[in-house]
Amino acid sequence: GDSVTQMEGPVTLSEEAFLTINCTYTATGYPSLFWYVQYPGEGLQLLLKATKADDKGSNKGFEATYRKETLSFHLEKGSVQVSDSAVYFCALKREYGNKLVFGAGTILRVKS
Amino acid sequence: NAGVTQTPKFQVLKTGQSMTLQCAQDMNHNSMYWYRQDPGMGLRLIYYSASEGTTDKGEVPNGYNVSRLNKREFSLRLESAAPSQTSVYFCASTRQGALGYGYTFGSGTRLTVV
Repeated sequence: GDSVTQMEGPVTLSEEAFLTINCTYTATGYPSLFWYVQYPGEGLQLLLKATKADDKGSNKGFEATYRKETLSFHLEKGSVQVSDSAVYFCALKREYGNKLVFGAGTILRVKS
Repeated sequence: NAGVTQTPKFQVLKTGQSMTLQCAQDMNHNSMYWYRQDPGMGLRLIYYSASEGTTDKGEVPNGYNVSRLNKREFSLRLESAAPSQTSVYFCASTRQGALGYGYTFGSGTRLTVV
């Protein structure tokens, strides 16, 4: 079945460091891919998405590119801030389906 | 601009008590979901409703029931609460069958069963 695998955390970085959180998936067809962010004590918010191969989703300085050849959707940010400390979830949704499949989440801690 | 509204935000129950968690969305979405989130466990799907009038079990349905009251509202009921049901519960909704359309989440209900 469909699945999403994220790198284990926590990931601890200093402010202004470069961030990569790896995400790989298995699914039939051409799913849509998503990154969600959960700040402490809050619900999940959509951070960015991509719906087809080679699409790049971007928001708030974060980027991720849909790589069909490597089945990946890695999240990157050039310079993290303390306010980026949160849990990040990668997810996929099948074409014309309505269920999201989530990864386990990666905790990011940014120190000043 | 409410999105998905969950009530209550916090609740403490005694073992064996019952309660209903409420969820309502104002985005005309077809599909609604209930998840629980435990430390280190990520999100686990309890029940979902693909469209008004239908409900289906997710990964962890035992101890819960749901009602899709109308298109807007989807409630989750704990008939006899157990300490293992201490968790944070999230409701979400989406537009069924829409390519690239993700979920909108509520802010959660933090439930403690003592």
